[in-house]
Amino acid sequence: GDSVTQTEGLVTLTEGLPVMLNCTYQTIYSNPFLFWYVQHLNESPRLLLKSFTDNKRTEHQGFHATLHKSSSSFHLQKSSAQLSDSALYYCALSDRMDSNYQLIWGSGTKLIIKP
Amino acid sequence: EAAVTQSPRNKVAVTGGKVTLSCNQTNNHNNMYWYRQDTGHGLRLIHYSYGAGSTEKGDIPDGYKASRPSQENFSLILELATPSQTSVYFCASGEGLGGKDTQYFGPGTRLLVL
Repeated sequence: GDSVTQTEGLVTLTEGLPVMLNCTYQTIYSNPFLFWYVQHLNESPRLLLKSFTDNKRTEHQGFHATLHKSSSSFHLQKSSAQLSDSALYYCALSDRMDSNYQLIWGSGTKLIIKP
Repeated sequence: EAAVTQSPRNKVAVTGGKVTLSCNQTNNHNNMYWYRQDTGHGLRLIHYSYGAGSTEKGDIPDGYKASRPSQENFSLILELATPSQTSVYFCASGEGLGGKDTQYFGPGTRLLVL
């Protein structure tokens, strides 16, 4: 079945360094929809960005990601980490089930930014 | 911004007892979801609904029931709570726009089953 893989369970970085969180997916559908959700401590997940277009960069709140269908990837990047970026990040794939869609969630990557 | 509320926010239950978690959304979204979140497992879908009167099983439905009596309300019921159901439960809603749908989460309910 469809799946999402986030290889890093924990990423620890120093403030100011670039961020890259990996996300790869498997799906039988040729037009996948990919999402990044962020969850800060003691909060609920919220959408960070989403993309449906191959090779198009999507940006929001300083983060960006590009859907690459050729490599089935949707990595999350930021040029310079801030302390406030410390959070749990989920990559998710929209999967068609019956006549509706559901999200297939990755296991999440905890990002810790240190001063 | 979608508004999703959950009650209670914290709950302590006894093993074998009945627990009802409630969710309300005020944005007329068609779809609603119940997830649990545990360290090491991420978000796991328990039940979901496409509209009033409909409930569907998610990935881990065993031990849980769901009820969608109206567009706004979606409940998760644990008939016989067990310690393994100790977790944080999130309700979410979505417009039902197909694959592009954004899910909006409630604040979560922390459930402890003793």
